[in-house]
Amino acid sequence: QVQLVQSGAEVKKSGASVKVFCKASGYTFTDYYLHWVRQAPGQGLEWMGRIKPNSGGTDYAQKFQGRVTMSMDTSISTAYMDLSGLRYDDTAVYYCARGLWDRYFEYWGQGTLVTVSS
Amino acid sequence: QSALTQPASVSGSPGQSITISCTGTSSDIGFYNYVSWYQQHPGKAPKLMIYNVSYRPSGVSNRFSGSKSGNTASLTISGLQTEDEADYYCSSYTGSDTLVIFGGGTKLTVL
Repeated sequence: QVQLVQSGAEVKKSGASVKVFCKASGYTFTDYYLHWVRQAPGQGLEWMGRIKPNSGGTDYAQKFQGRVTMSMDTSISTAYMDLSGLRYDDTAVYYCARGLWDRYFEYWGQGTLVTVSS
Repeated sequence: QSALTQPASVSGSPGQSITISCTGTSSDIGFYNYVSWYQQHPGKAPKLMIYNVSYRPSGVSNRFSGSKSGNTASLTISGLQTEDEADYYCSSYTGSDTLVIFGGGTKLTVL
């Protein structure tokens, strides 16, 4: 069965960077896009960007351009999301999600809580 | 690209039907048939309920249905059950630099 397993919770200082991983299993990693979506406490879902595992091509939401980098290692079916210049309002649960291209998200990881503190 | 507009909350009694609206623009919902809906229970990851406006993934109850008219998409849940109580989010492909946008979410309360 399809599974997306994410790395554990992180606590970071303001201005630091965080790297979250998402390990996929149960399907051919290069056949589907991998998206990142975040959710601040008590707030809605926010699309951050995605990577095309077959090419490594990325597209980022305008809001995160310059601060986010998405990458992957196809040999271990793992995607990474690196967010730099962390601010307090980056405190959120970060999800990876398998997408049928950019149309919808069929499977989601369990989420990774990133807390930005002083 | 602005977020899609959803009502903050809706409610219904068991057995009733409810509809959640999701309003966008002619550049997203009005242009593409790539509207999806997600159910999220507290502390859980979202779950895909409807894709491509009106298609249900395998395993999703046929009590859930989706539609679209102009720039507004709708999710209808019939025969409400207590386990339907959750947050619901709509999403649309935009084709612009922010490829995907979400609605602000609707809290469904089953009274």
